[in-house]
Amino acid sequence: LAKTTQPISMDSYEGQEVNITCSHNNIATNDYITWYQQFPSQGPRFIIQGYKTKVTNEVASLFIPADRKSSTLSLPRVSLSDTAVYYCLVGGSGNTGKLIFGQGTTLQVKP
Amino acid sequence: DAMVIQNPRYQVTQFGKPVTLSCSQTLNHNVMYWYQQKSSQAPKLLFHYYDKDFNNEADTPDNFQSRRPNTSFCFLDIRSPGLGDAAMYLCATSRDLAGVEFFGPGTRLTVL
Repeated sequence: LAKTTQPISMDSYEGQEVNITCSHNNIATNDYITWYQQFPSQGPRFIIQGYKTKVTNEVASLFIPADRKSSTLSLPRVSLSDTAVYYCLVGGSGNTGKLIFGQGTTLQVKP
Repeated sequence: DAMVIQNPRYQVTQFGKPVTLSCSQTLNHNVMYWYQQKSSQAPKLLFHYYDKDFNNEADTPDNFQSRRPNTSFCFLDIRSPGLGDAAMYLCATSRDLAGVEFFGPGTRLTVL
């Protein structure tokens, strides 16, 4: 399973755009890239998933370069309520495509 | 409407006393997972069921067992809880192994 590397923590201010980059050098051809958000004492919540290029939904964008060895989660105009841990996961391919969580990035949004 | 339900939300047990955590889903998903999450750590996959097929992670202790009597329900049994088993236990489901996982709110287990 592909290992992911993310910054342990990031700080931002309300209204700023936040970009969290994840490295996954050993990503397999059929692997998807998925990001989850987790608040304290809650289960992780799906944010976005992509395979290549760019994916955008109502809460975030996901940028994936052509070599797919990294990905960047972009959160536009963060608010205090976006303070959470963000996990980048790679996997989901084939019959053994389980998703394994890496360490995650703790995002602290300040007023 | 809740899609992945975990009961209870908080469970206290005594050292060595068996405990069962339950998970149910209304999504009719094929796959159900159990994760253990300790304080300030990432969720760690214990095992999963694909339909009735049980798949154990290599490093999951034998103390942890699971049952899935039907599509909707999955149970986590801890046969002899130790102090180190105190954690949040998360249940998740997905349509298939390549799908997005939907997580329940978790059960926080305290071992006295």
